[in-house]
Amino acid sequence: EVQLVESGGGLVQPGGSLRLSCAASGFIFSSYWMHWVRRVPGKGLVWVSRINSDGSVTTYADSVKGRFTISRDNAKNTLYLQISSLRAEDTAIYYCARSPGSGEDHWGQGTLVTVSS
Amino acid sequence: EIVLTQSPGTLSLSPGDRATLSCRASQSVSSYLAWYQQKVGQAPRLLIYDASNRATGIPVRFGGSGSGTDFTLTISSLEPEDFAVYYCQQRSNWPYTFGQGTKLEIK
Repeated sequence: EVQLVESGGGLVQPGGSLRLSCAASGFIFSSYWMHWVRRVPGKGLVWVSRINSDGSVTTYADSVKGRFTISRDNAKNTLYLQISSLRAEDTAIYYCARSPGSGEDHWGQGTLVTVSS
Repeated sequence: EIVLTQSPGTLSLSPGDRATLSCRASQSVSSYLAWYQQKVGQAPRLLIYDASNRATGIPVRFGGSGSGTDFTLTISSLEPEDFAVYYCQQRSNWPYTFGQGTKLEIK
């Protein structure tokens, strides 16, 4: 069974940093692109970042470029999102998702990041 | 950035009814459009990819159509578990973008 489990969220002050993790199991992690998507409370879904199967290609939404870094450790079957210089508008539930190519077919349950003083 | 506009914002229907949800793109996305369902407290669930292909395990009552800029998600006969928020998503250009969602609620 495919499983994606996010962790690392929490309450952080503006300007602070966190590292989100997504532990994958039940599939060949190193064969898939992976994505981070966030859902702002009361609003919709927004793409954050993506990474290819070997980690050599990364892409970011303009709103997080230069502040967020996506990475992966295929030996540990884990996806990461280093988030820094956090702002109130980064408050959201962050989901990791597996991407076979035509849609994100498995998602984690999400980890909540709250940016507040 | 491609903007997706979903309509209506809220759709009030009864179990057994037919639901028609629309998604319009600000420019052509060819057939690179997906639909997701999200329930409160749950992760999004892929329903349709490439505009008209059902994802694995999705019931046949869910159908997608359209190409270019206009797309439709149809649920032929609503089941109680179908009441949720539905998002369209384009994957033609990065950044991938989502519509603002259509809330399907019980009438």
